[in-house]
Amino acid sequence: GNSVTQMEGPVTLSEEAFLTINCTYTATGYPSLFWYVQYPGEGLQLLLKATKADDKGSNKGFEATYRKETTSFHLEKGSVQVSDSAVYFCALSGGSPSGSRLTFGEGTQLTVNP
Amino acid sequence: DAGVTQSPTHLIKTRGQHVTLRCSPISGHKSVSWYQQVLGQGPQFIFQYYEKEERGRGNFPDRFSARQFPNYSSELNVNALLLGDSALYLCASKPGQIQETQYFGPGTRLLVL
Repeated sequence: GNSVTQMEGPVTLSEEAFLTINCTYTATGYPSLFWYVQYPGEGLQLLLKATKADDKGSNKGFEATYRKETTSFHLEKGSVQVSDSAVYFCALSGGSPSGSRLTFGEGTQLTVNP
Repeated sequence: DAGVTQSPTHLIKTRGQHVTLRCSPISGHKSVSWYQQVLGQGPQFIFQYYEKEERGRGNFPDRFSARQFPNYSSELNVNALLLGDSALYLCASKPGQIQETQYFGPGTRLLVL
């Protein structure tokens, strides 16, 4: 079945540092890939997505590129802010046989210090 | 436009009791899915409903059930609650059945004592 593996956290950075959170996946077919963010005490917010190989999703300075050859969708940001502190989830949908349900990774806790 | 709404926001129950959680999707969205998020883990898929019919079920016991109403709102029911059912229950909606972006509500935090 489908699965998503994220780099283990937590990750602690200083403000303006470069961020990378690794995500690799296993799926049959051609899934869509997502990054969701969860702030303390809240639900999930869609951060960005990519629906086919070599697509780059971007939003609020975050980027991720759908790499089918390495089955990866790593999240990057050039300069993090304190307000980026949250839990980040990589997820996929589609492929077979899971259809449109989302399969999530375990999440990566990011803390950005001033 | 209003996003996905869920009620109640918090709930405390005791073992063996029954609970009903409610979800209203974004206007125009016909598909609703439910996820369970245990503390410190990623969400796990429970159910998907589209046009009032169950279109997918995750690996959860029969104590979990759901339904979707003609206005596309949905209920998740859990019977015979166990301590391990304590979690954040998330509802997500999307316009149709096939691969599309899902939009999440704020969740219902359930504590079973």
